[in-house]
Amino acid sequence: KAGVTQTPRYLIKTRGQQVTLSCSPISGHRSVSWYQQTPGQGLQFLFEYFSETQRNKGNFPGRFSGRQFSNSRSEMNVSTLELGDSALYLCASSSRGTNTEAFFGQGTRLTVV
Amino acid sequence: QKEVEQDPGPLSVPEGAIVSLNCTYSNSAFQYFMWYRQYSRKGPELLMYTYSSGNKEDGRFTAQVDKSSKYISLFIRDSQPSDSATYLCAMFYVDSNYQLIWGAGTKLIIKP
Repeated sequence: KAGVTQTPRYLIKTRGQQVTLSCSPISGHRSVSWYQQTPGQGLQFLFEYFSETQRNKGNFPGRFSGRQFSNSRSEMNVSTLELGDSALYLCASSSRGTNTEAFFGQGTRLTVV
Repeated sequence: QKEVEQDPGPLSVPEGAIVSLNCTYSNSAFQYFMWYRQYSRKGPELLMYTYSSGNKEDGRFTAQVDKSSKYISLFIRDSQPSDSATYLCAMFYVDSNYQLIWGAGTKLIIKP
């Protein structure tokens, strides 16, 4: 069974640009959550999608947005990038519509220069 | 004050030692508790998942929950260098729409 796949693995962007990250959950999983991880702040919850609907949202500015498609694949978009957006972005999928037994992808490491 | 407190470490112990990792929390509504392990450059992986107070054992790992003290622990017996990683606690309650609240993670180093 394939795991959670995140693309791309690494990304370098310039301040002011926008970026789209992709996450393909484990087959059959309907819940996808996104997290930002930095050394200083640890793991910060961005949002969760369940059956194409945003179910939970963290305390991030509106520059951070996401969506989920009918096949459960999810994308996360960050507009007007800032240096502070440099982080590891992790996606987690879950089968039961809860956050228990969430399976994480390898992450996308975003560097903003 | 954060909802979940976890000492970031690093915690360095010799191989074979018993390791104790801990988290405290402030919200008594939390019902489900998890421990994740994260190796460098990898995503976190679920180690243990518990609901009730008490102990749950899985191989060398034991998760302990004390809801009266709002305190959870992960014990690792016969620690190995391969256990060197960051350990994150996470918890949620159903009425919060299952949103996980995370500790900051403790970096563990097992010295050969």
